[in-house]
Amino acid sequence: QKEVEQDPGPLSVPEGAIVSLNCTYSNSAFQYFMWYRQYSRKGPELLMYTYSSGNKEDGRFTAQVDKSSKYISLFIRDSQPSDSATYLCAMSTIQGAQKLVFGQGTRLTINP
Amino acid sequence: GAVVSQHPSWVICKSGTSVKIECRSLDFQATTMFWYRQFPKQSLMLMATSNEGSKATYEQGVEKDKFLINHASLTLSTLTVTSAHPEDSSFYICSASGVLQNTGELFFGEGSRLTVL
Repeated sequence: QKEVEQDPGPLSVPEGAIVSLNCTYSNSAFQYFMWYRQYSRKGPELLMYTYSSGNKEDGRFTAQVDKSSKYISLFIRDSQPSDSATYLCAMSTIQGAQKLVFGQGTRLTINP
Repeated sequence: GAVVSQHPSWVICKSGTSVKIECRSLDFQATTMFWYRQFPKQSLMLMATSNEGSKATYEQGVEKDKFLINHASLTLSTLTVTSAHPEDSSFYICSASGVLQNTGELFFGEGSRLTVL
């Protein structure tokens, strides 16, 4: 079993839809949770960063962490074609830029 | 966010040659840099962690003699793929963390696509 599981998709939705992306994990020691967006042939860019359980909102993006279920989510509201990318969840056990464990990434396409 | 630059972004080489990839932190001092490789439609796999002025720590299964990592300054780390073979063809990505970035955030370079013929 992988430490972090993420459905690779692909996921295709119409413009304006709400997108839900999820990851599950097995290591209860994970405390720091991140979502990265990666466009084709580019490096990942950090979208959201959360610590422990709870919600965090930034514009059209909302990250949720449920440590009791070992489940994290990223919601994208009013999705735009420019949101089309691969979304990677990542997590670590300790503070500081230590080794992150990444999910496989979900390929998302927003259709105009 | 912080800027991390990678060079070259794209390289093709013949089998048996060595290729060097540079990773630079442009606006901060990177005490730690990480090197990843990513195969098509797959996630990032950590290859090694390098700290400025010390030897890199390699992940299990990564050949340290094949993937030479040097982190000689606080703004530059290099990855050299020695005697490259077609199976080394991949997307190599670096990331960097600085003294002030203690939240676990990593800033990534644009990646370097290596194709070995």
